[in-house]
Amino acid sequence: DGGITQSPKYLFRKEGQNVTLSCEQNLNHDAMYWYRQDPGQGLRLIYYSQIVNDFQKGDIAEGYSVSREKKESFPLTVTSAQKNPTAFYLCASRATGDGNQPQHFGDGTRLSIL
Amino acid sequence: AQSVTQPDIHITVSEGASLELRCNYSYGATPYLFWYVQSPGQGLQLLLKYFSGDTLVQGIKGFEAEFKRSQSSFNLRKPSVHWSDAAEYFCAVGPGGYNKLIFGAGTRLAVHP
Repeated sequence: DGGITQSPKYLFRKEGQNVTLSCEQNLNHDAMYWYRQDPGQGLRLIYYSQIVNDFQKGDIAEGYSVSREKKESFPLTVTSAQKNPTAFYLCASRATGDGNQPQHFGDGTRLSIL
Repeated sequence: AQSVTQPDIHITVSEGASLELRCNYSYGATPYLFWYVQSPGQGLQLLLKYFSGDTLVQGIKGFEAEFKRSQSSFNLRKPSVHWSDAAEYFCAVGPGGYNKLIFGAGTRLAVHP
């Protein structure tokens, strides 16, 4: 079955360390997104990519970086510059041929600070 | 500014009772509207969507939603709630023809037996 796979499910970061969250999709979607979810704040957009080798900052991009070298993959790096990284991170993808298409989500990665 | 408001942070209903979750949006043109559900520790699953046409849309798991342009609302309803419906529900709005979604803060639903 097609879907979005996020790994790992749980991740721990030490102070000053960069960590990378994986997101892979086999839905053949062009657009991919990273969201951060904190209790009571809904989802906030970190980065998004509409096509390979292109991506744009979302609302809270500071302290994060991404790459989009392959259509299937959109990894997110949480850098040491992100001072409050503890959150639930969700990856999503969407078909762009039809403007009405919804976003499909992975099961998330929970990042905590050691 | 584009925004989505879900006025109820927490709602508790008894199993078998009816449910209505409120969603109001602010958007300058015709919006694309979505309801998603999230179980604890999981991703978001699409319940239903509205783009145009009939303002009452049917979704999965027995949910429906009604688009009311005059009230800028897209409320989610279910006639009879099951214990398995306990989850967090998110309303989202999308600019037409564009890829970004704006999410509400969510409503957490608890179901009493």
